[in-house]
Amino acid sequence: IAGITQAPTSQILAAGRRMTLRCTQDMRHNAMYWYRQDLGLGLRLIHYSNTAGTTGKGEVPDGYSVSRANTDDFPLTLASAVPSQTSVYFCASSPGTGGSADTQYFGPGTRLTVL
Amino acid sequence: GQNIDQPTEMTATEGAIVQINCTYQTSGFNGLFWYQQHAGEAPTFLSYNVLDGLEEKGRFSSFLSRSKGYSYLLLKELQMKDSASYLCATMDSNYQLIWGAGTKLIIKP
Repeated sequence: IAGITQAPTSQILAAGRRMTLRCTQDMRHNAMYWYRQDLGLGLRLIHYSNTAGTTGKGEVPDGYSVSRANTDDFPLTLASAVPSQTSVYFCASSPGTGGSADTQYFGPGTRLTVL
Repeated sequence: GQNIDQPTEMTATEGAIVQINCTYQTSGFNGLFWYQQHAGEAPTFLSYNVLDGLEEKGRFSSFLSRSKGYSYLLLKELQMKDSASYLCATMDSNYQLIWGAGTKLIIKP
């Protein structure tokens, strides 16, 4: 059982380039989330999806977009990367549909550097 | 506003007990989570409290006081593998997690 996988593991990207971070879960969880983690700050929610076909904005959505075409996949796209998007990105999932206090399970993360 | 405070770093000795505190102010409250995160790895779930009191799970216990906006994580019989960051997070009225910056715990032999 893989749980949640993310790709790539790490990436160095030139500013202005487009980049998609991939996230796949095999637990049939309804809700999925994208966070960024920066030194000295707590995890910050970028976007979330309570069920396939729906998405919502989190605390820091600007510069990012997501889609949820099916239950398993939740890609995060940076349309035109900027250096302030240098961070570690974590994908997470939880069983429910966002209306209950479910535990979130995290993928291994993607370390992104924008130069 | 929403705010979660926890110490940036703590040091403890192998075999000892350590208490990591977390204070919070959030709009709406649907419970408090503790996660462990080893360097370079993903956060992993430790505990969840929604009612006041102590929840014990092996060497780890978590306490919550909703009236004081306060929680702590208690780690007993510390082992070197417990060296990690410990993240406190509250669940708000929209069932979204609000995260503290984490407490880096250093265990010395």
